[in-house]
Amino acid sequence: QVQLVQSGAEVKKPGASVKVSCKASGYTFTSYYMHWVRQAPGQGLEWMGIVNPSGGYSSYAQEFQGRVTMTSDTSTSTVYMELSSLRSEDTAVYYCASGVRGLIDYYFDYWGQGTLVTVSS
Amino acid sequence: QSVLTQPPSVSGAPGQRVTISCTGSSSNIGASYDVHWYQQFPGTAPKLLIYGSSNRPSGVPDRFSGSKSGTSASLAITGLQAEDEADYYCQSYDSTLSGSVFGGGTKLTVL
Repeated sequence: QVQLVQSGAEVKKPGASVKVSCKASGYTFTSYYMHWVRQAPGQGLEWMGIVNPSGGYSSYAQEFQGRVTMTSDTSTSTVYMELSSLRSEDTAVYYCASGVRGLIDYYFDYWGQGTLVTVSS
Repeated sequence: QSVLTQPPSVSGAPGQRVTISCTGSSSNIGASYDVHWYQQFPGTAPKLLIYGSSNRPSGVPDRFSGSKSGTSASLAITGLQAEDEADYYCQSYDSTLSGSVFGGGTKLTVL
């Protein structure tokens, strides 16, 4: 069965960076783009970006451009999301989600369990 | 402010039918991109409920249905059950933003 298992909770200080991992299993890792979505406490879902697990392509929501980097490691079937220059507003649960339908008009069929990132001084 | 607009809350009694609306614009739903719906319980990841505007993944009861018209979409839940109490989100693709957009979410309360 498809599983996306994310790394554990993180506590970071403002200005620091965080790197969250998402290990995929149960399907061919390079067959589906991976997305990152975050959810601030008590708030809705916010799409952050997409990465091609095969490498060579990533695209980010405008709000995060310049601060986020999404990468993948095919040898371990793992994708990563690194967010820099953290501020308190970045406190959220970060989800990875596998995308269906390619680069546009996609939806998310499988989700990781979420990783809580807390930014606090 | 979310690109897709949903009512913050809806409610209904067990057995009743409720609908949740999702309103977009000409760069997303109105551009013929599909709408997808997710169900989320507190403390858990979202779960795909409807894809391609009206299709149910395997295992989703047929009490849940979706539709789309113009720049809007709707999720309907019939035969409401206590276990349906959750947050519901719509999602689509936006050509202006070149990425995915979500509605702000709707909290369903079963009275």
